[in-house]
Amino acid sequence: GENVEQHPSTLSVQEGDSAVIKCTYSDSASNYFPWYKQELGKRPQLIIDIRSNVGEKKDQRIAVTLNKTAKHFSLHITETQPEDSAVYFCAATTRGTGNQFYFGTGTSLTVIP
Amino acid sequence: NAGVTQTPKFRILKIGQSMTLQCAQDMNHNYMYWYRQDPGMGLKLIYYSVGAGITDKGEVPNGYNVSRSTTEDFPLRLELAAPSQTSVYFCASSSLAGGGYEQYFGPGTRLTVT
Repeated sequence: GENVEQHPSTLSVQEGDSAVIKCTYSDSASNYFPWYKQELGKRPQLIIDIRSNVGEKKDQRIAVTLNKTAKHFSLHITETQPEDSAVYFCAATTRGTGNQFYFGTGTSLTVIP
Repeated sequence: NAGVTQTPKFRILKIGQSMTLQCAQDMNHNYMYWYRQDPGMGLKLIYYSVGAGITDKGEVPNGYNVSRSTTEDFPLRLELAAPSQTSVYFCASSSLAGGGYEQYFGPGTRLTVT
């Protein structure tokens, strides 16, 4: 099955700086790559996603890039704010076999005011 | 829409006890999932279902059972609870209609087995 690796496991940035989280995947058939944000004690919520026919997608301060050849994708958060502090998970799926998501192990982001 | 709902929110079980975690969704999604999340870890898939009457194992199915008699409900059964099943359990649903992919998560059930 798919194997998703995520780095770093923890990340601290000053407010206003940028944060980058990277994921790699193993199955070249994977074609959908979501990013979820999980605040302490809450459920994971989708913040941005990208499909394999697109190289980059932006939504205000967040962006995701995908390199299919290298099988890696990254989350970029610019102008970070304290409310960006949370755990971020990447995932990959082929949309077949029940649309199973394979999650990375998460990155705990702390934005220091 | 309430989205995905789960009950109970918290539960403490003794070793060897059994319980059922409830999950329901009102979005008419065909696909439903159960994940567990251990402290500081990602989400691991326990079981999933692609429609009423159809279920399949995920990465970590041992010690659990599921059923899917309706589109809305997807209960997870723990038999003979063990301390290793202490975790937060999330139910999720998705619909591939219209090219959709996103999984929507419930609020979670925090289970402690002592």
